[in-house]
Amino acid sequence: DQQVKQNSPSLSVQEGRISILNCDYTNSMFDYFLWYKKYPAEGPTFLISISSIKDKNEDGRFTVFLNKSAKHLSLHIVPSQPGDSAVYFCAASGSRGGKGNMLTFGGGTRLMVKP
Amino acid sequence: KAGVTQTPRYLIKTRGQQVTLSCSPISGHRSVSWYQQTPGQGLQFLFEYFSETQRNKGNFPGRFSGRQFSNSRSEMNVSTLELGDSALYLCASSLRLSGQETQYFGPGTRLLVL
Repeated sequence: DQQVKQNSPSLSVQEGRISILNCDYTNSMFDYFLWYKKYPAEGPTFLISISSIKDKNEDGRFTVFLNKSAKHLSLHIVPSQPGDSAVYFCAASGSRGGKGNMLTFGGGTRLMVKP
Repeated sequence: KAGVTQTPRYLIKTRGQQVTLSCSPISGHRSVSWYQQTPGQGLQFLFEYFSETQRNKGNFPGRFSGRQFSNSRSEMNVSTLELGDSALYLCASSLRLSGQETQYFGPGTRLLVL
């Protein structure tokens, strides 16, 4: 079963507008969530993370929101730039359950920012 | 600080052969994890090493193995290669083994099995 899901395979936004990427999870043991940006044939680049003790974390143009009761997180990019065009992955890990730093990834959302 | 490095970047092998991939973590990082990315299965966890010991393993057959050295460098090995092993293999490192660590990824090794 897919424990981390990104239901939108693609998203297209206009330059300067907000991009909102969504992610849902099912495993209650997850308590650390990360967003990565990825280009083809390259490794994922870390963007931002959030611990389950918080509901929001900001870093420049990137903000991640966590709704624990809904098991949902979202990444907001404001303003969106053409260079943000890439595949974005949501990932989760847990400090409980003895799984170490093992990341469970969503399927990714391809973001296209049009000039 | 230098990032995670992986060698080789590209590799072509034939079915039945074996392959060894190498990963050097960020300096000071002691946890190294390996992931496989394929179009059909996405990004999947292979295993994690910390202090030269395998701490976690994903759902992959025993043909996939790894090790970590005292300097935290890691290698993964795939024996008896199958066509389905064609993938991007990613290594990631993090400071500790806590479950709330950010993992930083290397550029990956693209393996093609013919």
